[in-house]
Amino acid sequence: AAGVIQSPRHLIKEKRETATLKCYPIPRHDTVYWYQQGPGQDPQFLISFYEKMQSDKGSIPDRFSAQQFSDYHSELNMSSLELGDSALYFCASSLGLSNTEAFFGQGTRLTVV
Amino acid sequence: DQQVKQNSPSLSVQEGRISILNCDYTNSMFDYFLWYKKYPAEGPTFLISISSIKDKNEDGRFTVFLNKSAKHLSLHIVPSQPGDSAVYFCAASAPGTGANNLFFGTGTRLTVIP
Repeated sequence: AAGVIQSPRHLIKEKRETATLKCYPIPRHDTVYWYQQGPGQDPQFLISFYEKMQSDKGSIPDRFSAQQFSDYHSELNMSSLELGDSALYFCASSLGLSNTEAFFGQGTRLTVV
Repeated sequence: DQQVKQNSPSLSVQEGRISILNCDYTNSMFDYFLWYKKYPAEGPTFLISISSIKDKNEDGRFTVFLNKSAKHLSLHIVPSQPGDSAVYFCAASAPGTGANNLFFGTGTRLTVIP
């Protein structure tokens, strides 16, 4: 069965550069969530979208922005990258917002040097 | 403050035996619980869930038990297989929040010995 696809799998950027992470949800899923997992930490919720509208916002820095497109894929844009942004970024998708299982992608490992 | 706790960082079990992974939570508003499995260098994958209206949910070799009065849930894997070796995360959410506010435990590394 199709799963959540994230690209790229690995990304290396320098400080102050920008990065764009992409997430393709499971077909027919209308909700996308972004999580950040730093080394040795739990995944932290960043932001979510439902039907192309932002539905909730977590601990996402102002330097980051995201959107969901008409085909339900989502992009996380990260600007003025800092060393502390190095982490694994997970995208998850679900059908609907409330109390549904979220299926995670394999993550994008971002390294800022 | 950690609202979802997995007090055992690791667990080793012989192949064919039962693996029991435990999870405790502190927030009585949590009403939906999930288990995720994570292999090295991969994202967590959803395994099984349970809502607070049930006390047991089975899916093949995996069974999750929920004890609301004790704020405790457990994942049983019977029989354990070497391919089950991974880190298992327990997660919880409150009503109406879905996966927006999943509170994760710190994980338990399960090693199934052939």
